[in-house]
Amino acid sequence: DGGITQSPKYLFRKEGQNVTLSCEQNLNHDAMYWYRQDPGQGLRLIYYSQIVNDFQKGDIAEGYSVSREKKESFPLTVTSAQKNPTAFYLCASSTIRQGRTDTQYFGPGTRLTVL
Amino acid sequence: GDSVTQMEGPVTLSEEAFLTINCTYTATGYPSLFWYVQYPGEGLQLLLKATKADDKGSNKGFEATYRKETTSFHLEKGSVQVSDSAVYFCALSMIKDSNYQLIWGAGTKLIIKP
Repeated sequence: DGGITQSPKYLFRKEGQNVTLSCEQNLNHDAMYWYRQDPGQGLRLIYYSQIVNDFQKGDIAEGYSVSREKKESFPLTVTSAQKNPTAFYLCASSTIRQGRTDTQYFGPGTRLTVL
Repeated sequence: GDSVTQMEGPVTLSEEAFLTINCTYTATGYPSLFWYVQYPGEGLQLLLKATKADDKGSNKGFEATYRKETTSFHLEKGSVQVSDSAVYFCALSMIKDSNYQLIWGAGTKLIIKP
């Protein structure tokens, strides 16, 4: 089955620790995205990547870092510099057709809690 | 700049009622429009989309028509079920910093009571 997997589903972290969230897709999509969702709110874009070894900051990139060494993988690191990291993190991917981003497909999400 | 505005929730309806969730947008050019649904504790799923004016997207009894003259993409369903309880997001695709991205509405929580 093709799809997007995120792991772990729940993650707990102590203050001051970095933590990496995994996102893998086997849809052969060019573009991948990380969003943050806070309770009762919409999605905010953290980072996105349209090709391997290249990525761009979204609206709330401070305190986060990413890498895109393989087309299938786009891990997100939440660093200790992120002041309020407790949230639900969603990874998505899409094709790029005729220069336009196509439908985004989402993983199941990772709920990060800072203790 | 480009933006999406959705009606605030929660929207509470009884089973078999008619549903409308309003979505309006501002955009330059001709964006594609999307409705996504998020069930509790899960990621988002594409519900339907429309890529040009007057297109109607439909899926699982839900419909939305791309209205360029009113810059709207309202979501409708004739008879809702308890299982439709979820958060619904309207979105449009646009160019930002030379790349295409989705611009998201804030989401509308729908509660269906039996």
